[in-house]
Amino acid sequence: GEDVEQSLFLSVREGDSSVINCTYTDSSSTYLYWYKQEPGAGLQLLTYIFSNMDMKQDQRLTVLLNKKDKHLSLRIADTQTGDSAIYFCAEIKEANNLFFGTGTRLTVIP
Amino acid sequence: ETGVTQTPRHLVMGMTNKKSLKCEQHLGHNAMYWYKQSAKKPLELMFVYNFKEQTENNSVPSRFSPECPNSSHLFLHLHTLQPEDSALYLCASSQDRVPPLHFGNGTRLTVT
Repeated sequence: GEDVEQSLFLSVREGDSSVINCTYTDSSSTYLYWYKQEPGAGLQLLTYIFSNMDMKQDQRLTVLLNKKDKHLSLRIADTQTGDSAIYFCAEIKEANNLFFGTGTRLTVIP
Repeated sequence: ETGVTQTPRHLVMGMTNKKSLKCEQHLGHNAMYWYKQSAKKPLELMFVYNFKEQTENNSVPSRFSPECPNSSHLFLHLHTLQPEDSALYLCASSQDRVPPLHFGNGTRLTVT
């Protein structure tokens, strides 16, 4: 496909793990990014992974990259109500521009 | 002020109005971007400026007219908009056209 693809919605219970999935399009993207958008705000860089890595861990966040399938995932351990937001994955293509998916709205149920 | 600031936060305009969105970045970056965020659609890259020069225009209708007077300021001039142009317009900046991008909080535009 031409667009970065993400599911639109995900609901999890507080304390559980969340896994947000993304399929990107350009295998030559040097970095892949996860951004977080809280209500009424812009996009905030959450984490990123270099394309020659399979995994990156940063506190409660784990990013997994499957280059063969062009699949990226973001795992949030011990999900809290403050994690409720829209999460966007993004790839680099076409003259160093960032292209984003639709975003996945994560709802954390207390 | 730090980061990327967008004004106004909210804007309601009629189809015959002319208005402008403003973006200012205080990060010392030299590239600036306009994105459009609509519900259930991927973010759409509209325009890219690098050192005040426009480098990308992704088939955006001429009713949207960008202006970049210097590396810190970016405007989006709007005229004769359509209701489907209602969206959140996000400004971003980066250094040397290299990600990651730093975003402002956006302007929520409603066209009536």
